[in-house]
Formats: sequence, C-alpha cells, structure tokens
Amino acid sequence: AQKVTQAQTEISVVEKEDVTLDCVYETRDTTYYLFWYKQPPSGELVFLIRRNSFDEQNEISGRYSWNFQKSTSSFNFTITASQVVDSAVYFCALSERGGGTSYGKLTFGQGTILTVHP
Amino acid sequence: ETGVTQTPRHLVMGMTNKKSLKCEQHLGHNAMYWYKQSAKKPLELMFVYSLEERVENNSVPSRFSPECPNSSHLFLHLHTLQPEDSALYLCASSAGTGVGEKLFFGSGTQLSVL
Repeated sequence: AQKVTQAQTEISVVEKEDVTLDCVYETRDTTYYLFWYKQPPSGELVFLIRRNSFDEQNEISGRYSWNFQKSTSSFNFTITASQVVDSAVYFCALSERGGGTSYGKLTFGQGTILTVHP
Repeated sequence: ETGVTQTPRHLVMGMTNKKSLKCEQHLGHNAMYWYKQSAKKPLELMFVYSLEERVENNSVPSRFSPECPNSSHLFLHLHTLQPEDSALYLCASSAGTGVGEKLFFGSGTQLSVL
C-alpha cells in the first residue's frame, strides 16, 4: 500500500478559481511530519510547508492554506484565487522513522499536476 | 539561485558509456541525498549520506555508484545503464537526517539513456 496518496493526477482550473489538492498518508509512527513541495518547470522542488503530527492547527500563508486532519490521515492543500504562476507539480510527502531506519525517511506521493489557465 | 547546484542539467548517454552526475550544496548541511524521478512514478529515494557516510542504499542496482568526498559534494557515477534508467535525478541536502528534516533540492539532471 502506498504511504502517501495524492488522489488527483492532474487538475486544470481557470485563473481566480480556488483549488484543493488532496493528500492521504499512512504511518504507524506517532511522531511524523508532513510536507508539501512545489515543482515548477525548472525542476527543483520548492518547500512550501512542514507540519508535525502533534500540531493539527490549520495554517494559512497568503493564498495558500493547509488542512491537517489526523482522524482521516489527510493533509490537504488549498490555493485561493489561483494564478497562472501556480502551475506546477505539487508533491505531498511524509517523514517518519518507520521500518527501523536510522534516519528520517521522506516518502513522496505521486504528485498532482496543476494547470492554471488565464 | 538555489543552495543546491547540479551539473549537468541534461545528459544523453549510450548504454556502454560511463558518466557522472555532480551535486554541490552551499548551505552548510551535513546530509545529502539522491532521488530518481521517473515519469508517472513517485520520487524514489536512492541514497542517503550523513557526514559523508552512506546510511541508505535503497536497493539501487550496482550500475549506480554514489560518492560523497565531503559534506558539500555528492556524485553519482553511472555505467552500463539501461533505457529504463532514463529519468530526472534530483540531489537534495538537509541539515541533519532526523525525522522532519527539510530537504533542499537542486534542479536535477535529466538523463536519457539510448
């Protein structure tokens, strides 16, 4: 079973629409972290947010907001009033120690390709 | 400009060639990583180095050989690759290797194996 599942492979919206990217994760660890990264056409993954498993407060940063719900193992990402520059691939990721590793392993979802049309 | 630089940006090689990918980080980090990004697949962790020691080899075939001469530099030596090895290879670094460490990524090397 996949540890991080992003249900939407591709999303296409028109500028100024709101869009939500879903992320569901699976872990047996009680201490873990969740991330969202953005990958623009240039290729490098850009960090957006990190959340630890003990902090379920939702967060807002400008047009970006994140909804963390442990009860449903979800960490969804919403872009309000989307812009063309938001077009990118977005990755949700889980950091846990699990499986007896000696380090924190970061596991990525398959990514959601977001296209915002003018 | 990011703190993690990868060269070359693009590489085309035949199956019998030997080539190397280079990664350099300017962030003072102690850990470095190689990830493989294939089309329609999640990013796959290949190798993890902490203070120049390899702490993870994620079942990667021996035709991929990493080298970490110091905490700022990471190489991936390639030989006798297969066409299915064509992918974007991403390097990343982090301050440490604990749970929740934020990874900083380079722009990747787009590799095509003919």
